[in-house]
Amino acid sequence: EAQVTQNPRYLITVTGKKLTVTCSQNMNHEYMSWYRQDPGLGLRQIYYSMNVEVTDKGDVPEGYKVSRKEKRNFPLILESPSPNQTSLYFCASSSTGFSNQPQHFGDGTRLSIL
Amino acid sequence: RKEVEQDPGPFNVPEGATVAFNCTYSNSASQSFFWYRQDCRKEPKLLMSVYSSGNEDGRFTAQLNRASQYISLLIRDSKLSDSATYLCVAPSRGRRALTFGSGTRLQVQP
Repeated sequence: EAQVTQNPRYLITVTGKKLTVTCSQNMNHEYMSWYRQDPGLGLRQIYYSMNVEVTDKGDVPEGYKVSRKEKRNFPLILESPSPNQTSLYFCASSSTGFSNQPQHFGDGTRLSIL
Repeated sequence: RKEVEQDPGPFNVPEGATVAFNCTYSNSASQSFFWYRQDCRKEPKLLMSVYSSGNEDGRFTAQLNRASQYISLLIRDSKLSDSATYLCVAPSRGRRALTFGSGTRLQVQP
């Protein structure tokens, strides 16, 4: 089954404790992206990757890191999480980065930073 | 001006009603658009693409108006299961990405 898989689905942690949210897709997609979703603000892009070893900042990259060492994986790293990073996070992928390609989303990760 | 703007709603309609949402976009060079559906706390799912000539899929019709820079979604014969938030999506300006609107909430009532 074609899918985007995120882990963990839920995480409660404390300020300053490094965490990684994994994202994996099995569709051989070139393009992957991370979003956060907050009430009233909609989906905002954090980082995206056009292909292996190619990453770029989205709208709200501060406080986040990403890497794309393999085509299927695109982890999101919070080196020193803070409460304002409490949010619902989605990973997405599409076959290419061209704007006529829809994106497929993972189930989401709900992060709470205390 | 936001790249993509939507009326947040909620739109409360009875079952069987026809409802329409509009969405405006600022990037006049945009060629491709999408409507996504998102249920509460779930992932967005592609509802339909929006082509220049319009697009129809069952009870759902999407239209593009380039002159006025808006896209629309029409839902006919609303079902209770149509209750969700509908996200309008357009290409981002200046980068290879898609910009999502904040969504329009639809509540279909019995």
